[in-house]
Amino acid sequence: GIQVEQSPPDLILQEGANSTLRCNFSDSVNNLQWFHQNPWGQLINLFYIPSGTKQNGRLSATTVATERYSLLYISSSQTTDSGVYFCAVEAAGRRALTFGSGTRLQVQP
Amino acid sequence: EPEVTQTPSHQVTQMGQEVILRCVPISNHLYFYWYRQILGQKVEFLVSFYNNEISEKSEIFDDQFSVERPDGSNFTLKIRSTKLEDSAMYFCASRLTSAFINEQFFGPGTRLTVL
Repeated sequence: GIQVEQSPPDLILQEGANSTLRCNFSDSVNNLQWFHQNPWGQLINLFYIPSGTKQNGRLSATTVATERYSLLYISSSQTTDSGVYFCAVEAAGRRALTFGSGTRLQVQP
Repeated sequence: EPEVTQTPSHQVTQMGQEVILRCVPISNHLYFYWYRQILGQKVEFLVSFYNNEISEKSEIFDDQFSVERPDGSNFTLKIRSTKLEDSAMYFCASRLTSAFINEQFFGPGTRLTVL
């Protein structure tokens, strides 16, 4: 099946810093989503981005489907940004999401 | 804004007991899913459901698991005889299914603890 790799696995930032999280996938995809898992375990939808670039406040994401990667940018990070960020993809011909192992982000005050 | 809801938020059960996890998908959505996440691990697909039948299932979804849409709003996951290794967060998700919108929307999850 499709492989999804996220990097870095862990990231520690000072409040106000910027960061880039990467998601590589091994095959063509119909769907790519970024999620933030908060300390209560809830998965918060950040972006639905099978291709192109989107922005939402301090967060933006870019997917280059032809090169099989996606990037999540966090600018001016805040302590509330802490948690695990997951990339999930839907391989062409399937209807189920395959998740990466996540990037654990800790933003320190 | 419409959202997927799940009940209960936490469930504690004894090994060997049956549990039913409930989900109310977004009302006009057609595809429904269950995923699970063992503590500290990534989210894994269990099963998808479309047009009142299982569309796809993973190796995890064995004979101990079943899904049902008992009425027009609820979608349930039943575990017949729970094992310690079934302890996990279980997420329900739904999608509209459209040529242009393919996003899956996740519920807040049910944390299942098997003792």
